[in-house]
Amino acid sequence: GQQVMQIPQYQHVQEGEDFTTYCNSSTTLSNIQWYKQRPGGHPVFLIQLVKSGEVKKQKRLTFQFGEAKKNSSLHITATQTTDVGTYFCAGEAGGGNKLTFGTGTQLKVEL
Amino acid sequence: GAVVSQHPSRVICKSGTSVKIECRSLDFQATTMFWYRQFPKQSLMLMATSNEGSKATYEQGVEKDKFLINHASLTLSTLTVTSAHPEDSSFYICSATGLLDTQYFGPGTRLTVL
Repeated sequence: GQQVMQIPQYQHVQEGEDFTTYCNSSTTLSNIQWYKQRPGGHPVFLIQLVKSGEVKKQKRLTFQFGEAKKNSSLHITATQTTDVGTYFCAGEAGGGNKLTFGTGTQLKVEL
Repeated sequence: GAVVSQHPSRVICKSGTSVKIECRSLDFQATTMFWYRQFPKQSLMLMATSNEGSKATYEQGVEKDKFLINHASLTLSTLTVTSAHPEDSSFYICSATGLLDTQYFGPGTRLTVL
């Protein structure tokens, strides 16, 4: 079945440093979505990428969708303590709105 | 924005009992609802997809007789964990999609089976 892997699994950064998480799917995706989950919370939708090579920005967050539509990345510039949480990518393939979530990257930001 | 609620937020039950979790879309009609399970420090795993008025579609490895799903209306889906055991302890999260296909997630239900 479809697998979606993320690296790294954990990342500790000092506040102000940049952070990137990478997402790789075993199959071609129709779209990829990114979610943030705070400790004890539920996933919160961040963004959806649909087009090959698409790049979207949300303030300090930059999302990319690979040309082959099998990988994606999330980059955070100048991390803040409010960025703490686990970031999941979730890919949709084959229709039906079914999402396969990535393994997640847990981000910790230290002062 | 679209809001999805879940009830209860936390439940503790004895082994062998059944637990019902409700998922409601509060301000939109959900054509499809999804049920996920998340174990500590792990990712969300899709359990089943439910459409209003039809039988749920379960993912491979998920026992349909143990996890009963009823999508009775366009705003309500329920997940019943039957004869719960400690290994069923987990965080259960629902999501709902409307016309625009974006999934909106509920706040989750933390189930602890003693």
